[in-house]
Amino acid sequence: GIQVEQSPPDLILQEGANSTLRCNFSDSVNNLQWFHQNPWGQLINLFYIPSGTKQNGRLSATTVATERYSLLYISSSQTTDSGVYFCGDSGGSNYKLTFGKGTLLTVNP
Amino acid sequence: DTAVSQTPKYLVTQMGNDKSIKCEQNLGHDTMYWYKQDSKKFLKIMFSYNNKELIINETVPNRFSPKSPDKAHLNLHINSLELGDSAVYFCASSQEGRSEQYFGPGTRLTVT
Repeated sequence: GIQVEQSPPDLILQEGANSTLRCNFSDSVNNLQWFHQNPWGQLINLFYIPSGTKQNGRLSATTVATERYSLLYISSSQTTDSGVYFCGDSGGSNYKLTFGKGTLLTVNP
Repeated sequence: DTAVSQTPKYLVTQMGNDKSIKCEQNLGHDTMYWYKQDSKKFLKIMFSYNNKELIINETVPNRFSPKSPDKAHLNLHINSLELGDSAVYFCASSQEGRSEQYFGPGTRLTVT
């Protein structure tokens, strides 16, 4: 099955800083999603982005399917952005997402 | 209106017991999933159902038995609980198997 590698594993920022998170995939990208798991454990959908670029407020994401990677940009970070960011894709299979190990983001005031 | 809901939110039980977790979605989706998140936060698929039919069983022990009474519900029954079953279990749903998935709030299971 597809392998998903996320980087960096940990990231510490001061409030107001910008950051880029990356996901690399071992197989074709078909169903790519980005999630934020907040400190209460909820998995929040950020983007469904099998290809192209999307923006939602201070967050944006770009997927280059031909090169099998995706980037999540966080601008002007806030303490509420803290948590774990996951990417996942189904690769050549449907009916499941394979996740990376996540990026733990800590935004300090 | 909660899109994907799970009950209970927390479950503490002893080894050897049997327990169930319920999941309901009101999004009108036809595909539902169970994922397990271990203590290192790693998320892994357990089962997926499409129109009440089992599609994926990702080498989960037989002690885990999902049941889908209709397209809006997918329950998870666990027999003879073991310490290693302690984890957070997430239910999710999507329209067909190749589209955006929406996750429930999770059920934190602790086996003592």
